[in-house]
Order: sequence, then structure tokens, then C-alpha cells
Amino acid sequence: GAGVSQSPRYKVAKRGQDVALRCDPISGHVSLFWYQQALGQGPEFLTYFQNEAQLDKSGLPSDRFFAERPEGSVSTLKIQRTQQEDSAVYLCASVQPWSSGGQETQYFGPGTRLLVL
Amino acid sequence: GNSVTQMEGPVTLSEEAFLTINCTYTATGYPSLFWYVQYPGEGLQLLLKATKADDKGSNKGFEATYRKETTSFHLEKGSVQVSDSAVYFCALGGGSNDYKLSFGAGTTVTVRA
Repeated sequence: GAGVSQSPRYKVAKRGQDVALRCDPISGHVSLFWYQQALGQGPEFLTYFQNEAQLDKSGLPSDRFFAERPEGSVSTLKIQRTQQEDSAVYLCASVQPWSSGGQETQYFGPGTRLLVL
Repeated sequence: GNSVTQMEGPVTLSEEAFLTINCTYTATGYPSLFWYVQYPGEGLQLLLKATKADDKGSNKGFEATYRKETTSFHLEKGSVQVSDSAVYFCALGGGSNDYKLSFGAGTTVTVRA
């Protein structure tokens, strides 16, 4: 596809339920990021992949959050035993292979809006 | 670590008014700076960027200049339109953090006809 896609676009979960959020990056993009955007706030970094390797997961708020990208393309963010504070928009972004110098542009998907009741 | 402080909103303007949204940053190294825009019901889109000091990014009539001496990257547009109504995010990346973006809290701009 032309851009980053995410599914589902909306998810309502009961507290304690497990959820899985999917991200399809732009074809050929090596790097993939997950961000969490709380209502009225800017996105906050969660985790970063280069191909299938998860190089940084320092932003994951707890061990209930888990992300994977087993074949270096599609990624899944899983949240176990969801809590109300997990309610947010989860954004995925992908980047072309790094070139020399400068910060490459991250292309964002539309996000998944998660509401935990 | 890296951080961004962005002018709080909401901002309400009339069509053809001048818009400025202030953004200052704290970073180590030599980050790149970005403005992203989020239109109602849509995802984040890159509006403009600058990769080094004194660079000016521009797009759709918007401009921002990377000012290292004042650690700022203020967004400006000379004459806004109703279609510019959106949430604007200042962000930085690179420097000591080579990949992740750090975002400001966002500024909601509403332009009235």
C-alpha cells in the first residue's frame, strides 16, 4: 500500500482483556516505531525495530506490553490484562533505510484508538 | 534527554490572520526538528523539517527556522485558511537519540471564516 496501515482503527476492551494491535509499514521500510498518544498529549515513544530486531523497548510502560516483528515487516503490539490507563491512541511509524547524516522522516499510520472500560 | 516545549493552545484565529506557534527544545548533539500536523479524523503528517542550524523548512505556506542560539523552531504562516484548522506538533529526533522522536504536547488551531 501507499502508506502505513493499522488495524483495528478502534478497539473497545474490558479491563483485564488482552488486545493485539497490528501495523503494516510502508513496503521496504526497515525501521518501525510504536508510540502511545494519550488524549490531549503528544505521542510518546514505546519501542523501535530495525528489521526483526527490537533495538529499544525502553518506552514500554510495563511488562504487560509486548511488541514483535518476526519477519521484519508487519508488527504487532500486544497488551495483556488491559487497564483503564492503557486507553490511548497507539501509533505506528516506519522509516526508509537510514542515509548518511540527519534524521529520517517517520511516516505515521492512522493509529488504533483503544478504550479500556 | 531530549524534550520539546510547545506553546499551549487552543489558538483561534480569523481567516487570513498571521499564525505563530512557539516551540523550544532541549537536546544533546545535533537533532533534526520537525513540525507534524494532525487534521481532524486523520493521522500525523509531516508538515516540514529542518536538519541543521539555520535551515528553514517550508511547506503549504508554513515556515520554521532552526535556531540553535535560541533552541527554537517556531512555526509561522502569514495568512491562514479554514483548512489549516488542525493540531500541530513540534518534534525533535536524532542528536544523542538517533531514532526516536520526542514530541511537544500539541497546539490546537481553529481558523474561523
